[in-house]
Amino acid sequence: SQQGEEDPQALSIQEGENATMNCSYKTSINNLQWYRQNSGRGLVHLILIRSNEREKHSGRLRVTLDTSKKSSSLLITASRAADTASYFCATDRGYSSASKIIFGSGTRLSIRP
Amino acid sequence: GAGVSQSPSNKVTEKGKDVELRCDPISGHTALYWYRQSLGQGLEFLIYFQGNSAPDKSGLPSDRFSAERTGGSVSTLTIQRTQQEDSAVYLCASSLGEGQPQHFGDGTRLSIL
Repeated sequence: SQQGEEDPQALSIQEGENATMNCSYKTSINNLQWYRQNSGRGLVHLILIRSNEREKHSGRLRVTLDTSKKSSSLLITASRAADTASYFCATDRGYSSASKIIFGSGTRLSIRP
Repeated sequence: GAGVSQSPSNKVTEKGKDVELRCDPISGHTALYWYRQSLGQGLEFLIYFQGNSAPDKSGLPSDRFSAERTGGSVSTLTIQRTQQEDSAVYLCASSLGEGQPQHFGDGTRLSIL
């Protein structure tokens, strides 16, 4: 099963509203990363939060991490049309020999004008 | 440019043919990843190169898939005797090292007829 699972799978909100996406995972992690993917493009790194951190901010983005619940959330405030994209969480289990990052299936965010 | 470059951007081939996909990582990035993404899905890890270490091939779906990284830079993913289920977008990413944010190319869209 997937290490990272985002929910909801799809989210449609009005421009200006806040968007919240969640990610749950199963095993212990070294860090968790959020990425954005516009249609037909590669992924763009948004923010990285380490296992000993609880919250990070970057512009209109706020990420929280609760290692006891094995979950993370991504909040986008004051959404804009340009925020329309798929958002993925990726967990890094930090293997000493092969650090594989496991991506979830993503949340498709649509911002209505 | 300074980003990750993948070629070709699109590839259409007949079932049973071999294909080679190329990835030019960001200069100085020691880590290189290959992923596969089916339509509307998350990323499936294929293979990971880190410096001069033996690659982590644990994600390769069959022995028809292979990859190499020459001189610690350019990487080639080869799929032999392609099957229709190989149709997907193949994404390459590079990073400064384990656990670091990944920088993605825009992928190669592979279609097997």
